[in-house]
This record gives sequence, C-alpha cells and structure tokens, in this order.
Amino acid sequence: EVQLVQSGAEVKKPGESLKISCKGSGYSFTSYWIGWVRQMPGKGLEWMGIIYPGDSDTRYSPSFQGQVTISADKSISTAYLQWSSLKASDTAMYYCVRRGYGFSYYFDYWGQGTLVTVSS
Amino acid sequence: SYVLTQPPSVSVAPGQTARITCGGNNIGSKSVHWYQQKPGQAPVLVVYDDSDRPSGIPERFSGSNSGNTATLTISRVEAGDEADYYCQVWDSSSDHSLFGGGTKLTVL
Repeated sequence: EVQLVQSGAEVKKPGESLKISCKGSGYSFTSYWIGWVRQMPGKGLEWMGIIYPGDSDTRYSPSFQGQVTISADKSISTAYLQWSSLKASDTAMYYCVRRGYGFSYYFDYWGQGTLVTVSS
Repeated sequence: SYVLTQPPSVSVAPGQTARITCGGNNIGSKSVHWYQQKPGQAPVLVVYDDSDRPSGIPERFSGSNSGNTATLTISRVEAGDEADYYCQVWDSSSDHSLFGGGTKLTVL
C-alpha cells in the first residue's frame, strides 16, 4: 500500500527556521516525483514545487521560488520542505503529494498534511 | 500565466446531478484532473486525465473536457459528496502545476 506519512504539527515564531518531512512507503521512492501543496486557512490548494528523489531534480512554482527549499534523502525515502525564516503568512496546512502519470501528471497519493502555525 | 476558473459554489438536491466546471483558455487541449476534499481531510483524486477514475472511486463520478471548459459530473448525488472540489492541470511548457480556485458542493 502506497503511503505518504508527514511529520507532526509545528508552532513557530516569525524568523525561525523549520523543516518538515514526508516519508514514502509501499512503492519505489526514487521512481516518482514528490511535490508539496499549500493550503492557507479557509483557502484553496496551491502547488509549491516538486522533486525527483532519484537525482534531486527540483522545480518550483514562481510564487514559491526563493521562499522555500525542497529536498529529499532517498536513503530513507523522505522528502522535505524547509524555510530559513518563517513569516506569519506561512501559517497553513502543507501536503506532500506523489506525482502520478497517464496522459499528463496528477497527484495520486497525498500525505495527511502538516499544520504549520507561525505566531509571535 | 494560465488561469483555471471554477464557480465558488454549486448546490444540488440529493439524487440529482451536480456539474462543476473548470474554465481555461483552450483547456480541451490539456488533461484535467479533479480532487475532492472533505472538511478536515486531505484531498483525494477522483478523476484523472479528463475522465478516468482511480480504483475505488464510484462510477457516479465522471469527467469531460472540451473547448474552454472541463466538467466534473456527479450523478445521483449523496450527502457524503458534500465537499470542496478542485481541478488541476500540468502545464508542460513550464513544467509546473496549477489548481483551480475550488468549488464548494452543497447537498441541499
């Protein structure tokens, strides 16, 4: 069974750094791209970026380029999303997703989400 | 940049058919995917590549895509279908993804 299991909720202060994780299991972790999706409170889904764990090739949405870093450690089947200096506006639920493919690319499996709260 | 437009809300009575649209310039030339998100839960893929269903998704969920509009159709709507629905495309020219703004389906 394919599973993406994310790290737990975080409460941070503005300016602090943070790294959240997403561990894949039940499939070949290095063969599928893993992405991140943000959902701010009461709002819609926003695609942030994606990484190919096989060679760490990474793509970022223009809206998130330079704001976050996506990485992966294939030895432990885990992808990461990190911030160097959090802002209150980073408060959101963050989902990791596996990119599936047919005629195009879609997100066939989702993690349970990691709630990040940034407040002074 | 490419934009996907969804109506904020759609309402339907139980047993009727709900149609949720996703508009975009020549969206018929792209493959469209749909997700269902119930309150407090992660989204779930319900239709991919315009009209295919993942394993475990009821046949009541179907999709179509032509011209400037893609449509998710839910037949014989049940109370349990009440959720937010999002369309998504992959823009091959930029190698980026994009979601529509989401539609809240209310079952009356």
